Amino acid sequence: ETGVTQTPRHLVMGMTNKKSLKCEQHLGHNAMYWYKQSAKKPLELMFVYSLEERVENNSVPSRFSPECPNSSHLFLHLHTLQPEDSALYLCASSPGLQGGGSTDTQYFGPGTRLTVL
Amino acid sequence: RKEVEQDPGPFNVPEGATVAFNCTYSNSASQSFFWYRQDCRKEPKLLMSVYSSGNEDGRFTAQLNRASQYISLLIRDSKLSDSATYLCVVTTNDYKLSFGAGTTVTVRA
Repeated sequence: ETGVTQTPRHLVMGMTNKKSLKCEQHLGHNAMYWYKQSAKKPLELMFVYSLEERVENNSVPSRFSPECPNSSHLFLHLHTLQPEDSALYLCASSPGLQGGGSTDTQYFGPGTRLTVL
Repeated sequence: RKEVEQDPGPFNVPEGATVAFNCTYSNSASQSFFWYRQDCRKEPKLLMSVYSSGNEDGRFTAQLNRASQYISLLIRDSKLSDSATYLCVVTTNDYKLSFGAGTTVTVRA
């Protein structure tokens, strides 16, 4: 039990659909992250939120829109996606922001496996 | 050049064997280093942090070589349950995490 939950676990959508991915952490953490993991590729950091403020946006296409209404919830809104966006989308949280020599652990959710037709 | 590079493997080893592999990173300003483990179709989970002096956790030993910019992971007395993909993770002081693509280890009976 990681304390980070994601819904849905699987999602199939057409290119014209609009859907949202949800992440919830029950760990009292202050930082939350969205990652994309494609087959045989490294995890790609998409967005970072600290205390509900976005602190990182790694040149992600605007068809991905994050939302962090509070420190426990993180959403990823999807619209007009492309087939190459099919991947595993992982949410993670950590007590504080990583980096700067911090050894804070990131806890990952189980991911949403997204297929875009 | 990729920020973090790993030999993808797979490393196929018998139970009880020792297996070791490295990860190189390109940013000399990197400050924190971790090994994560990811089982097939599951999320990554922290295996261990890597400290400058090297550290050991049971059968797992991690080393950091700043001069040559690599970290290593050694697994002694391999178990079937050690079969997984091992992800190298490096952070810099701008809170960016960079993940390697992973090294796959398969332990056979």
